[in-house]
Amino acid sequence: QLQLQESGPGLVKPSETLSLTCYVSGGSVSSTSYHWGWIRQPPGKGLEWIGSITYSGSTYYNPPLKSRSLKSRAIISVDTSKNHFSLKLSSVTAADTAVYFCARHASDNGDPDYFFDIWGQGTLVTVSS
Amino acid sequence: DIQMTQSPSSLSASVGDRVTMSCRASQAISNFLAWYQQKPGKVPKLLIYGTSILQSGVPSRFSGSGSGTDFTLTISSLQPEDVATYYCQKYNDAVLTFGGGTKVEIK
Repeated sequence: QLQLQESGPGLVKPSETLSLTCYVSGGSVSSTSYHWGWIRQPPGKGLEWIGSITYSGSTYYNPPLKSRSLKSRAIISVDTSKNHFSLKLSSVTAADTAVYFCARHASDNGDPDYFFDIWGQGTLVTVSS
Repeated sequence: DIQMTQSPSSLSASVGDRVTMSCRASQAISNFLAWYQQKPGKVPKLLIYGTSILQSGVPSRFSGSGSGTDFTLTISSLQPEDVATYYCQKYNDAVLTFGGGTKVEIK
């Protein structure tokens, strides 16, 4: 059974970089059938997709024009040797305070699909001095 | 960019009631729509994808319908364990967008 677990600091200072890692167990980030994504949820608010990464390291993000709150500050990477993928979000402000989820894209007959079937438990990141 | 609008933002119904909620896309997305259930303090759970395909293990009282721009999630007989916020998500392209959610409570 595939499991995802987010890890990283729970408190980040304004203007610094938020760094989170999603550890994958029971499966491989190298699988060609899946993409891997990050989604966040500010306290009491809805879900916002940040971006996703393929097994080969190609990335796609919530467009800056669409997500003024993210504004191209996110970088997602994958480490196949350690079976995890990561999120870095630079120049954080209080508006970046949220629960951050990592998730697996579903697969349709071996091809990645673009919705999420397995989620990590989420980790609360608070931006405050 | 395609916007996803859910309505109502909240609803209250009695146990056993039939409950429907709407998700509207600002442009046509064919049938590339998923629904998630998020219980209070919990992780979102995939309920439905492809507009109407139930994820494995999801009770049959949940159903989805629609196409193009208008979609509906129906709970045929509301149960206490269905108290949650429900989110739709479009995935017709590589810009993944969630709706704002519909919060379901028991009257």
